[in-house]
Amino acid sequence: AQKITQTQPGMFVQEKEAVTLDCTYDTSDPSYGLFWYKQPSSGEMIFLIYQGSYDQQNATEGRYSLNFQKARKSANLVISASQLGDSAMYFCAMRAYSGTYKYIFGTGTRLKVLA
Amino acid sequence: DAGVIQSPRHEVTEMGQEVTLRCKPISGHDYLFWYRQTMMRGLELLIYFNNNVPIDDSGMPEDRFSAKMPNASFSTLKIQPSEPRDSAVYFCASSSRTGPNTEAFFGQGTRLTVV
Repeated sequence: AQKITQTQPGMFVQEKEAVTLDCTYDTSDPSYGLFWYKQPSSGEMIFLIYQGSYDQQNATEGRYSLNFQKARKSANLVISASQLGDSAMYFCAMRAYSGTYKYIFGTGTRLKVLA
Repeated sequence: DAGVIQSPRHEVTEMGQEVTLRCKPISGHDYLFWYRQTMMRGLELLIYFNNNVPIDDSGMPEDRFSAKMPNASFSTLKIQPSEPRDSAVYFCASSSRTGPNTEAFFGQGTRLTVV
């Protein structure tokens, strides 16, 4: 069965510091994609970054990077130089083929950036 | 592109009434997903369509829920009769391709309150 696990319900980080949000996954499919979304207090879901299972390098998008450790089945999101606007809920998601191509989401991590 | 468009943004209805949520996916996207978000259960996939055909409706909670996609540019999620426990934010999302390497784009969500 496919599963996404986010074990940190909440995190605090000081402004301008880096923070790592954890995500582990489970799938038997060799081809899969991993995604991170941000949900600010306004409620919309914003796509941040993607990592493919066959990608050799870790994905980066501006201040976001994905620490992909395939053997450990982890896909942690690293936010560098945190800003107050980074305060939000963050969801890890996976898309793989196990009969269907649905996206499954973790339970999320609420990040609070402190001034 | 206008993105995924959902309507209404907010809906308050009385228990027992019929509720219809609407979604217009991004033009050209073949996949459409309906998710429900609550504090207790997080983001749950209710149903998804590929080329207007329902593929996986295993997440639909009960017979009171139904979803249709009459054409590539429109989908509805109907609850009849509605109950207070249906109160949640309902998201529609679309993606462009089969395969794990495509992110889903979310609408703004519909906040449903059943009193």
